[in-house]
Amino acid sequence: AQTVTQSQPEMSVQEAETVTLSCTYDTSESDYYLFWYKQPPSRQMILVIRQEAYKQQNATENRFSVNFQKAAKSFSLKISDSQLGDAAMYFCAYRSAYNNNDMRFGAGTRLTVKP
Amino acid sequence: DVKVTQSSRYLVKRTGEKVFLECVQDMDHENMFWYRQDPGLGLRLIYFSYDVKMKEKGDIPEGYSVSREKKERFSLILESASTNQTSMYLCASSSSGATNEKLFFGSGTQLSVL
Repeated sequence: AQTVTQSQPEMSVQEAETVTLSCTYDTSESDYYLFWYKQPPSRQMILVIRQEAYKQQNATENRFSVNFQKAAKSFSLKISDSQLGDAAMYFCAYRSAYNNNDMRFGAGTRLTVKP
Repeated sequence: DVKVTQSSRYLVKRTGEKVFLECVQDMDHENMFWYRQDPGLGLRLIYFSYDVKMKEKGDIPEGYSVSREKKERFSLILESASTNQTSMYLCASSSSGATNEKLFFGSGTQLSVL
């Protein structure tokens, strides 16, 4: 079965600085999708960014970008110009392209933003 | 705004009670999911449903059952609640159209079993 590992339980960043959250995954599949979700104190999970494994270009969404290294099975999230509202739990997730119902989540990284 | 609504934000129950967690989505999604969220473990799939009256076990179905009588509603049932079922429960839904479709989540139910 696929597994997702987030090795950083907690991270902190100064407001306006850049932070990178790490994620690695294990799979034998060739086609899949990767996601970063944000869970603020309101508990509402919000999609931050998604990456298709067949695309070589790294996905970007405004201040959020990923570094997708398929051979290394690594999928890190970079947050630029960090804002106080970025403080949240961040979950990395893997979804098989062959099974619509199989989404695997990492343990999460709690990000603190210091003013 | 599209919505996944969980009926309770906080719930306190006694061991042995039968507990119902309700989830409703307004997006006409085929797929619905129940996850359990615990610190250090992330989200773990309990059950999912891909159609009315259809259900599949996830990774941790023991002690739980589900019901999907209508497309928009997916219920999680704890037949006899135990203290180790104290957790955050998240409901989610998605379209069956493509596997790159994101999940839409509810705001979670924090269940405490005393």
